[in-house]
Amino acid sequence: NAGVMQNPRHLVRRRGQEARLRCSPMKGHSHVYWYRQLPEEGLKFMVYLQKENIIDESGMPKERFSAEFPKEGPSILRIQQVVRGDSAAYFCASSRWGLQETQYFGPGTRLLVL
Amino acid sequence: DAKTTQPNSMESNEEEPVHLPCNHSTISGTDYIHWYRQLPSQGPEYVIHGLTSNVNNRMASLAIAEDRKSSTLILHRATLRDAAVYYCILRDPLGGNTPLVFGKGTRLSVIA
Repeated sequence: NAGVMQNPRHLVRRRGQEARLRCSPMKGHSHVYWYRQLPEEGLKFMVYLQKENIIDESGMPKERFSAEFPKEGPSILRIQQVVRGDSAAYFCASSRWGLQETQYFGPGTRLLVL
Repeated sequence: DAKTTQPNSMESNEEEPVHLPCNHSTISGTDYIHWYRQLPSQGPEYVIHGLTSNVNNRMASLAIAEDRKSSTLILHRATLRDAAVYYCILRDPLGGNTPLVFGKGTRLSVIA
């Protein structure tokens, strides 16, 4: 049973470009969470999605960031017009039943904005 | 979720037991105590969780104080691969949809 997969593992963008981060949850998991980890800091929750629904986006910046989890395919975290402050590791996690279940994390995407 | 307090860092010799403490004095009766760890350059991974009784699994043991205001994650024989940041997190299964709240955790160094 493959774990949570994220790609790309590393992404370099110039200021103003768009970044698309993909996350495939574990088989049988329909709940996906995105976290961001700035250098030398702990993980911060961004958004919680189920298939085709955003359940909680209280941690998402109001502008430039969006997330989706379509009926088919991976979850996508999209950052438009990236700035240097967006440089961070972005982790995706999935669970089977919902937030109170164990969350299984992917290896992360390390975004560097030049 | 209630707040937890952990030491910033700890050090252990290889093949010796490690006791990682966590204080959670405001824990509620329905909060479970979860531990995750994050190895260098990796995503967090679940370690163990418990409610009142001590718990054991292949990775670690969790000792929970009788008043539940503190707990200790026990690694019975630390290896170099156990060097990581360990996070103690409280989770209330009745609390509705709330995300994992990661504090700063304890950075464990293992010395060969």
